[in-house]
Amino acid sequence: QKEVEQDPGPLSVPEGAIVSLNCTYSNSAFQYFMWYRQYSRKGPELLMYTYSSGNKEDGRFTAQVDKSSKYISLFIRDSQPSDSATYLCAIPDSNYQLIWGAGTKLIIKP
Amino acid sequence: EAQVTQNPRYLITVTGKKLTVTCSQNMNHEYMSWYRQDPGLGLRQIYYSMNVEVTDKGDVPEGYKVSRKEKRNFPLILESPSPNQTSLYFCASSWSEGQPQHFGDGTRLSIL
Repeated sequence: QKEVEQDPGPLSVPEGAIVSLNCTYSNSAFQYFMWYRQYSRKGPELLMYTYSSGNKEDGRFTAQVDKSSKYISLFIRDSQPSDSATYLCAIPDSNYQLIWGAGTKLIIKP
Repeated sequence: EAQVTQNPRYLITVTGKKLTVTCSQNMNHEYMSWYRQDPGLGLRQIYYSMNVEVTDKGDVPEGYKVSRKEKRNFPLILESPSPNQTSLYFCASSWSEGQPQHFGDGTRLSIL
């Protein structure tokens, strides 16, 4: 079992829909959680960085952490075609190296 | 503008011909890292460096070398490239290990 699992998709939704992207992890000691967005032919860019359980909101994006279930989510409200990208979760391990999910490809249809 | 710059962006070469991919960051970051990204496998770390003259292996270091002689530069060296090193490579930097990383725009390598 990989330490961080993420459904590769693609996930295709209509414009304006609420999108839910998820990762599960295996090590209950993980404490920090990151979401990155990667456009085609570009490097990943940091979207959200959370520490504790609960929700963190930034504009249309909400990151949610459920440590009891070892499950993290990224919600996108009022999705736009410009949100079409691959979304990656990343979690620092006990050696402070980032463990990456495989990424979920998201397609927002106009 | 804060950035990580990789060169070249694209390279097609042949097996066994040594090549270097350069990486430079202008944010005075201590930590730098190289990844390769392959379909279905996600980002895999090749090497990382926590400071000048300090480098360590990541998950897939075989066939690669790195050096960190200056804080801003972290070149990736393929001394004898092989076709299985055909991939998309990313350099990244951050203030320290475990912190959010800034990425370059990638180098697409094709080894024939």
